[in-house]
Amino acid sequence: DAKTTQPPSMDCAEGRAANLPCNHSTISGNEYVYWYRQIHSQGPQYIIHGLKNNETNEMASLIITEDRKSSTLILPHATLRDTAVYYCIVRAISGGSARQLTFGSGTQLTVLP
Amino acid sequence: DSGVTQTPKHLITATGQRVTLRCSPRSGDLSVYWYQQSLDQGLQFLIHYYNGEERAKGNILERFSAQQFPDLHSELNLSSLELGDSALYFCASSVTTSASSTDTQYFGPGTRLTVL
Repeated sequence: DAKTTQPPSMDCAEGRAANLPCNHSTISGNEYVYWYRQIHSQGPQYIIHGLKNNETNEMASLIITEDRKSSTLILPHATLRDTAVYYCIVRAISGGSARQLTFGSGTQLTVLP
Repeated sequence: DSGVTQTPKHLITATGQRVTLRCSPRSGDLSVYWYQQSLDQGLQFLIHYYNGEERAKGNILERFSAQQFPDLHSELNLSSLELGDSALYFCASSVTTSASSTDTQYFGPGTRLTVL
């Protein structure tokens, strides 16, 4: 799976949009971009994933650049409960061992009151 | 609530002992994955089972083993425990309907293992 690069930490004011960037310049054509978050020591929580089109669900929006070398996760109205480590993961959609998730260091998002 | 359950929540044991961690996947999910999260290593993939068969191995020690039973629950067995095995152990499940499935994984709440 392609490697990802994320800033180690970010702050965001409560009620504002949180924009979390991820660089995945070596992504292949069959690799999806997944976002998970981990609040304190809880189990990682799935947020969203996409291949090349922008995606939106009830939690967030995912914007993938046209060349697919980077993406941005957008939490439209951040709350204190969104404080967590956010992981951007690139993963192939087929194959045996490619089904595992490879977690990097992620971005610690702190939502400030 | 992801629908994945893990027991026990906490486990405290001594070096040299053996423990078993249990995971029940979401209803209908055939795949179970185990991950270890320690302070210095982050979240690392251990092993993947699909419908009772081992599919992939990651950085799993020989002292560790796993299995998936006919009812699809899975157990992770850790033996000859060392201080460094203290960690959070998560399992995740997914549907895995086909080779081309996006196969989203949903994680359980984890088991915190402390080896004294």
